[in-house]
Amino acid sequence: QQPVQSPQAVILREGEDAVINCSSSKALYSVHWYRQKHGEAPVFLMILLKGGEQKGHEKISASFNEKKQQSSLYLTASQLSYSGTYFCGTGPDSNYQLIWGAGTKLIIKP
Amino acid sequence: GAGVSQSPSNKVTEKGKDVELRCDPISGHTALYWYRQSLGQGLEFLIYFQGNSAPDKSGLPSDRFSAERTGGSVSTLTIQRTQQEDSAVYLCASSLDAGMNTEAFFGQGTRLTVV
Repeated sequence: QQPVQSPQAVILREGEDAVINCSSSKALYSVHWYRQKHGEAPVFLMILLKGGEQKGHEKISASFNEKKQQSSLYLTASQLSYSGTYFCGTGPDSNYQLIWGAGTKLIIKP
Repeated sequence: GAGVSQSPSNKVTEKGKDVELRCDPISGHTALYWYRQSLGQGLEFLIYFQGNSAPDKSGLPSDRFSAERTGGSVSTLTIQRTQQEDSAVYLCASSLDAGMNTEAFFGQGTRLTVV
């Protein structure tokens, strides 16, 4: 079951904050977050693991609620460079793979 | 190399022809993944390799799709008798291992257009 990302799209002014959510119908062990700019490869942002371990960039913050089977990515004081589509991957599935959400498109305007 | 390299970056082919897409992962990465991304969509898992073995082929859409990896390095995704619905960006990623706590590095992708 593909995780559900919300919102599907959001438009912000530079300096505003955003929260992107990723919800799964299955129990989660890990959540991966990536950002993809138009025409470019997805770039790693963060991994959150059951039990509280996190790996990622210092300027990115995220939460992982095991009980709610949900993760949220927090983008504060957004910059123009934050624009792109954010994907969450949750796992593992029955084949020990990540399942990816459809993405959240973030547009930052000056 | 410094990153994951994919070739060609763009491929236009006629319906019914076969195509080969190549992925050169980061040196030392044992896990290699292939994904398909249709316009405006998320990442659709196709296949992954641990070393030269493909433990999971469940994502391949049909028997027209096949992939191999040799020497624990370069991988080739082959699509036979291409159809218009095969048009998409094919992304390759590699990681140190296939664990759930390991980040993946993606290539720029191959944009395949079947006409």
